[in-house]
Amino acid sequence: AQSVAQPEDQVNVAEGNPLTVKCTYSVSGNPYLFWYVQYPNRGLQFLLKYITGDNLVKGSYGFEAEFNKSQTSFHLKKPSALVSDSALYFCAVRALDDKIIFGKGTRLHILP
Amino acid sequence: DAGVTQSPTHLIKTRGQHVTLRCSPISGHKSVSWYQQVLGQGPQFIFQYYEKEERGRGNFPDRFSARQFPNYSSELNVNALLLGDSALYLCATMTGVPTDTQYFGPGTRLTVL
Repeated sequence: AQSVAQPEDQVNVAEGNPLTVKCTYSVSGNPYLFWYVQYPNRGLQFLLKYITGDNLVKGSYGFEAEFNKSQTSFHLKKPSALVSDSALYFCAVRALDDKIIFGKGTRLHILP
Repeated sequence: DAGVTQSPTHLIKTRGQHVTLRCSPISGHKSVSWYQQVLGQGPQFIFQYYEKEERGRGNFPDRFSARQFPNYSSELNVNALLLGDSALYLCATMTGVPTDTQYFGPGTRLTVL
């Protein structure tokens, strides 16, 4: 079965420190992987995606993600966190049948 | 260009009623997908339409139906509403190429009393 796991419900990081939000996936074939961010009472905003090529993907607002095929992971990272990065982050994978499966989300708190 | 738009923003219904939610895609986007996001969970896939044909269906009962119009806008219909249908309903659109990105609308908050 195809799935996405975000093992942390919440991640707390001090402002200025690096942050990592974890994501692992299980899917048949080559995965298309995505990260989205959701602010309160808003829809999802696209951050970045991995389709093929370089394992390190750079996205919006200084975020990046590293695709690791052997560990089936796609962790979201940022070198220096901002208070404004506080939000709900979703990892998603598009499988062969084109359905997109989302993780349950990780709430990121950046502490001033 | 305008982003994905959804209407209405909020909706309150009572059990047993039906509801119609609407979505207008970004210009040039021919694929529309619908998701249900219950509080505290990730979006759950309901339907995908491409060129007016259903391309995929998630694990939702037949009370849920959708359609896509010639201008690529879409409607999601839910009949015989249950309390558990209360959620944020999200529409996402893309060009139709599998490697493309889905862009989401702001959602419709449905409350069933």
